Amino acid sequence: DAGVIQSPRHEVTEMGQEVTLRCKPISGHDYLFWYRQTMMRGLELLIYFNNNVPIDDSGMPEDRFSAKMPNASFSTLKIQPSEPRDSAVYFCASTEDPGHWGEQFFGPGTRLTVL
Amino acid sequence: QKEVEQNSGPLSVPEGAIASLNCTYSDRGSQSFFWYRQYSGKSPELIMSIYSNGDKEDGRFTAQLNKASQYVSLLIRDSQPSDSATYLCAVTGDGSSNTGKLIFGQGTTLQVKP
Repeated sequence: DAGVIQSPRHEVTEMGQEVTLRCKPISGHDYLFWYRQTMMRGLELLIYFNNNVPIDDSGMPEDRFSAKMPNASFSTLKIQPSEPRDSAVYFCASTEDPGHWGEQFFGPGTRLTVL
Repeated sequence: QKEVEQNSGPLSVPEGAIASLNCTYSDRGSQSFFWYRQYSGKSPELIMSIYSNGDKEDGRFTAQLNKASQYVSLLIRDSQPSDSATYLCAVTGDGSSNTGKLIFGQGTTLQVKP
């Protein structure tokens, strides 16, 4: 079975540009999570969805970040405009079991560099 | 105070030894506890989950939970060089509301030397 799929794997952009990260969860998983990982702050939850509905976006750093899940097999995380401090690895994860939130399957991540 | 604390390491052990990784958490209401392994440049991978006090064993891995002390540990027996990675402790963020928020520690880097 295919795992969580993310694209692109690497993204280099200039400050001020719009960045869109994409995620396809594992088929049948109703929960999708977006995380950001940096050396300074570790792995942080940005937002998560249940059945395509955003449930908790308290981790989204500011209005420049937005996330959507138009259907069960696709989600995007958009940064507009991007800033150098947004440079990080962004992971998408999914799970099917509401009783076991923490048993999540992570995608390979997108390494974002904002110059 | 950090919500989930781990010693960043590196923790260095010889091949064949027992590696002991520790984690403390601040939310007394937390209900679920997890250990993820992350190889350099890769994504986190779940290796153990534990939901009740005591020990849980899976192969060479044993997770230990003590809710009264707000303490979780991971023991790796017969450590192998392939166990060299960063181990992330994770805790559900709010036990009372059962939300999906998973709080991660900063991770402990384990080095197993041949």
